[in-house]
Amino acid sequence: EVQLLESGGGLVQPGGSLRLSCAASGFTFSSYAMSWVRQAPGEGLEWVAAITDSGGDTYHADSVKGRFTISRDNSKKTLYLQMSSLRADDTAMYYCAKGSRESRPYYFDFWGQGALVTVSS
Amino acid sequence: EIVLTQSPGTLSLSAGERASLSCRASQSVSSYLAWYQQKPGQPPRLLIYAASTRATGIPDRFSGGGSGTDFTLTISRLEPEDFAVYYCQHYGSSRAFGQGTKVEIK
Repeated sequence: EVQLLESGGGLVQPGGSLRLSCAASGFTFSSYAMSWVRQAPGEGLEWVAAITDSGGDTYHADSVKGRFTISRDNSKKTLYLQMSSLRADDTAMYYCAKGSRESRPYYFDFWGQGALVTVSS
Repeated sequence: EIVLTQSPGTLSLSAGERASLSCRASQSVSSYLAWYQQKPGQPPRLLIYAASTRATGIPDRFSGGGSGTDFTLTISRLEPEDFAVYYCQHYGSSRAFGQGTKVEIK
């Protein structure tokens, strides 16, 4: 059974940093692309960042480029999102999502339960 | 940048009725279109990929159609558990999501 377990969310002040983790199990982690997708309270889904199976290629939405960095450790079966210079509009539930294959094009076939990030003073 | 527009914003129907949800792309996305269902407090769940292929375990009352710029998700007969928000997503050259359609109980 595929499982994705996010951690690292919490309350952070504007301008602060936070690192999210997503521990994967139930599939060959190193064979699939992964992404982070966020959802602000009461809003829709926004893709944030993606990484290929090997970690050799990464992609970030314009809204987070230069502030967020996606990475992965295939030996630990873990996906990361390093977030810095956080702003109030980064407040959201952050979901880890498994890609359907190793690189584009892929849809998201499994999602974690999410990690809540709140940016507020 | 590809923009996906979903309509209507909200669909008010009764259990047993047929639901038709629309997703229109600002330019052709071929068949690289997925549909997700999200219930309150839960993560999204994949329903349909490649515009018309049901994901594993998805009941056959859910069907997807279309190609190019116009797509439809149809729920043939609404069950109580189908009242939720539905999102379309292009997963080819972009990863854009539509803004969602809420299917609510009338």
